[in-house]
Amino acid sequence: AQTVTQSQPEMSVQEAETVTLSCTYDTSESDYYLFWYKQPPSRQMILVIRQEAYKQQNATENRFSVNFQKAAKSFSLKISDSQLGDAAMYFCAYRRGSNAGNMLTFGGGTRLMVKP
Amino acid sequence: KAGVTQTPRYLIKTRGQQVTLSCSPISGHRSVSWYQQTPGQGLQFLFEYFSETQRNKGNFPGRFSGRQFSNSRSEMNVSTLELGDSALYLCASSVRTAGSPLHFGNGTRLTVT
Repeated sequence: AQTVTQSQPEMSVQEAETVTLSCTYDTSESDYYLFWYKQPPSRQMILVIRQEAYKQQNATENRFSVNFQKAAKSFSLKISDSQLGDAAMYFCAYRRGSNAGNMLTFGGGTRLMVKP
Repeated sequence: KAGVTQTPRYLIKTRGQQVTLSCSPISGHRSVSWYQQTPGQGLQFLFEYFSETQRNKGNFPGRFSGRQFSNSRSEMNVSTLELGDSALYLCASSVRTAGSPLHFGNGTRLTVT
C-alpha cells in the first residue's frame, strides 16, 4: 500500500519570504501522480499543483513550485513571496496512474502560518 | 461553472441513527469520490462512483454505503451511527481521465452525540 508522510505538522513564514513544505511517499509503482492541496478555514480542498511521475520537469504554478525527486520519493512544495492568504493546511497526496481511479492517499498535513 | 455542492453543511445526529449526505458534482464530471476527514485519522478514502457504479472502496465498515444517480449526483449513507463517525465528509468530482485533478466541495460536518 502507498503511504504519504508530511514530517512538518506546522510551519511558519514571514510575509514575502519563501517556505518549503516537505513530503515523502512510498510506492512500488512507476506510474502515478502527486498533488498538493490547500485547505483554508472554509474547508474546501483547493488544488495547488500536480506532478506526473513520468515527467522529469518540476511543475510550477505562479508562486508555487515543486521539487520532485523520484528516486528519493520526495515531493516538496516551495511557496515564494508568501502572502497572508497562503495560510492554510497543506496536504500532499498520491494517486496511482492511468485507469486506477480517483483514490487519493493523503499525508497528515502541514499547517502553514504566515506572519505579517 | 458551478463547483461541487455538498448538502447539508452541518448535521447533528444521535448514536444509532442513520444519515444521508448529498453531493452534486461539477457539470460534466462523472466520477464522484468521498473522503472522511478526522483529526485523528486524517483524510481517508471512502469510495468512488463512476457512471453509477462503485469503482473503488476504502477500508470502512459496511455501515458506510453510497450510490450515484444517472445525473452523476451522489449520496452516501451511514447507518447505526457511532461517536467515531463524527467527521468532515468531503466529496470530490472529476472527469476521471488520467491525471485529471479532483475538485472538492466544502464538505458536510457531521457530529454524532
